[in-house]
Amino acid sequence: EAQVTQNPRYLITVTGKKLTVTCSQNMNHEYMSWYRQDPGLGLRQIYYSMNVEVTDKGDVPEGYKVSRKEKRNFPLILESPSPNQTSLYFCASSHLTSGRHHEQYFGPGTRLTVT
Amino acid sequence: DAKTTQPPSMDCAEGRAANLPCNHSTISGNEYVYWYRQIHSQGPQYIIHGLKNNETNEMASLIITEDRKSSTLILPHATLRDTAVYYCIALSGNTPLVFGKGTRLSVIA
Repeated sequence: EAQVTQNPRYLITVTGKKLTVTCSQNMNHEYMSWYRQDPGLGLRQIYYSMNVEVTDKGDVPEGYKVSRKEKRNFPLILESPSPNQTSLYFCASSHLTSGRHHEQYFGPGTRLTVT
Repeated sequence: DAKTTQPPSMDCAEGRAANLPCNHSTISGNEYVYWYRQIHSQGPQYIIHGLKNNETNEMASLIITEDRKSSTLILPHATLRDTAVYYCIALSGNTPLVFGKGTRLSVIA
């Protein structure tokens, strides 16, 4: 089954404790992206990647890191989480072929709480 | 990217067609109209997109007016599982996907 998986689905952590949220897709997609969703602010892009070893900042990259060492995986790293990073996080992927870039498959989400 | 305007909420009876409108009067020639939906706290789901012509897939139909200033997403036979927030987005190139407030569709038994 074609899917994007994220782990963990739920995480409660404390300020400053490094964490990684994993994202994996099995569709051989070139494009992968991380979003956060907050009430009243909609979906905002954190980082994206057009292919292996190519990553770029989205609209809200501060406090986050990503890597794309393999095509299928795109982990999101919070080196020193803060309470303002409490949010619902989504990973997404898509092909980059003409006209299909925005046909994105989303993961189930990771609800992160930083206390 | 062009701004889109959608009604905040709509109701639809189960089994009837749900017609969700979207205004995008400032859309430019190279911007596509995309529709996504999000069932409560789940990941957004791509539905359909189009540029000028009407489009249909297994989930829905997309009707775009000739002047491209508005469009309608049609769910032909709405079910309770179609209850979700529906987002209309005008996009081109590599611009990021940004969801606005969307339309909250409630399908009623």
